[in-house]
Amino acid sequence: EAQVTQNPRYLITVTGKKLTVTCSQNMNHEYMSWYRQDPGLGLRQIYYSMNVEVTDKGDVPEGYKVSRKEKRNFPLILESPSPNQTSLYFCASSLKGGLFNSPLHFGNGTRLTVT
Amino acid sequence: GQQVMQIPQYQHVQEGEDFTTYCNSSTTLSNIQWYKQRPGGHPVFLIQLVKSGEVKKQKRLTFQFGEAKKNSSLHITATQTTDVGTYFCAGPTGGYQKVTFGTGTKLQVIP
Repeated sequence: EAQVTQNPRYLITVTGKKLTVTCSQNMNHEYMSWYRQDPGLGLRQIYYSMNVEVTDKGDVPEGYKVSRKEKRNFPLILESPSPNQTSLYFCASSLKGGLFNSPLHFGNGTRLTVT
Repeated sequence: GQQVMQIPQYQHVQEGEDFTTYCNSSTTLSNIQWYKQRPGGHPVFLIQLVKSGEVKKQKRLTFQFGEAKKNSSLHITATQTTDVGTYFCAGPTGGYQKVTFGTGTKLQVIP
């Protein structure tokens, strides 16, 4: 089944404790991206990747890191989480580009709480 | 930076009533996509509009792209409880690489 898999679904952590949220897709998509969803703000793009070893900042990259060593994986790293990073996070992939004639396929989301 | 606003933020309708959400961009969009997110779920692609003035229909849903390609709308005729969710528009920025989502419209349908 074609899908984007995110783990974990729920995560509670403390300020400053490094964490990684994993994202994997089995559709051979070139484009992968991370979003955070906050009430009233919609979905905001954190980072995106056009292909392996090619990553770039979205609209809200501060406090986050990503890597794209393999085509299928795009982990989101929070080196020193802070309470303002408490949010619902989504990973998404698409065949080509950001929205260039190909829809985004989303993972099921990771609800992160930083205390 | 580019902003994409949606109105209204919330909408409660009686089942059977119509519903419309509007998406407005601060800049011209090359194309626009619409997504639906059910409560507790993830966004799911509905449709893409590319041409100026384009209108597309999916059963009870009608999507329009403005002539200036800076605004779009989604209209649902005779809402059903299955239409409940948050509807987002999204447009590419930065040469199709970056993606900007609208703020979303949360629809509640009262049976």
